Amino acid sequence: NAGVTQTPKFQVLKTGQSMTLQCAQDMNHNSMYWYRQDPGMGLRLIYYSASEGTTDKGEVPNGYNVSRLNKREFSLRLESAAPSQTSVYFCASSETSGGVGEAFFGQGTRLTVV
Amino acid sequence: GQSLEQPSEVTAVEGAIVQINCTYQTSGFYGLSWYQQHDGGAPTFLSYNGLDGLEETGRFSSFLSRSKGYSYLLLKELQMKDSASYFCAVRVLTDSWGKLQFGAGTQVVVTP
Repeated sequence: NAGVTQTPKFQVLKTGQSMTLQCAQDMNHNSMYWYRQDPGMGLRLIYYSASEGTTDKGEVPNGYNVSRLNKREFSLRLESAAPSQTSVYFCASSETSGGVGEAFFGQGTRLTVV
Repeated sequence: GQSLEQPSEVTAVEGAIVQINCTYQTSGFYGLSWYQQHDGGAPTFLSYNGLDGLEETGRFSSFLSRSKGYSYLLLKELQMKDSASYFCAVRVLTDSWGKLQFGAGTQVVVTP
């Protein structure tokens, strides 16, 4: 049981380059999230998708776009990378039928923009 | 908007009890969870409070007061492996259910 899988695990980009971070979950969860984590800032929500076909902005959406490709997959795109986007990116998923809604996280993508 | 406040760091000795507080202000509050994250790792779920009161899971307990916008996580019989960051996270009802927002985290340092 893989849970939440993110690719790639590490990436170095030059300023202005674009890339897509991939995320897939095999738990049949409705909700998926993208967070970024910077030292001392905790986890900040970039975008989330409450169900297949919907996406909403979180706290820090500028410079990012997302696609909920299907129920399993939720990708994050940086169109023109900037050094301020150097961070660790986490994808997560959870069930949303009420109750606990425990979120399961991928292992993260460590992105450096030079 | 939403805000979550946690202390940045707490230090305690092995075997002791430590309490991490979390205060929040949010509209559409549905419930509050606690997560643990070791250096370099992914956050993992510890506990959830949807109603006022205490929830206990082994050495960890979590408390919620919805009227006060307050929660705490209690770690008992501290072990060296409990050295990690701990995050409170609120689940918020929005037009599209599912928003989960985290605090900045509390670094717990356990000393021998």
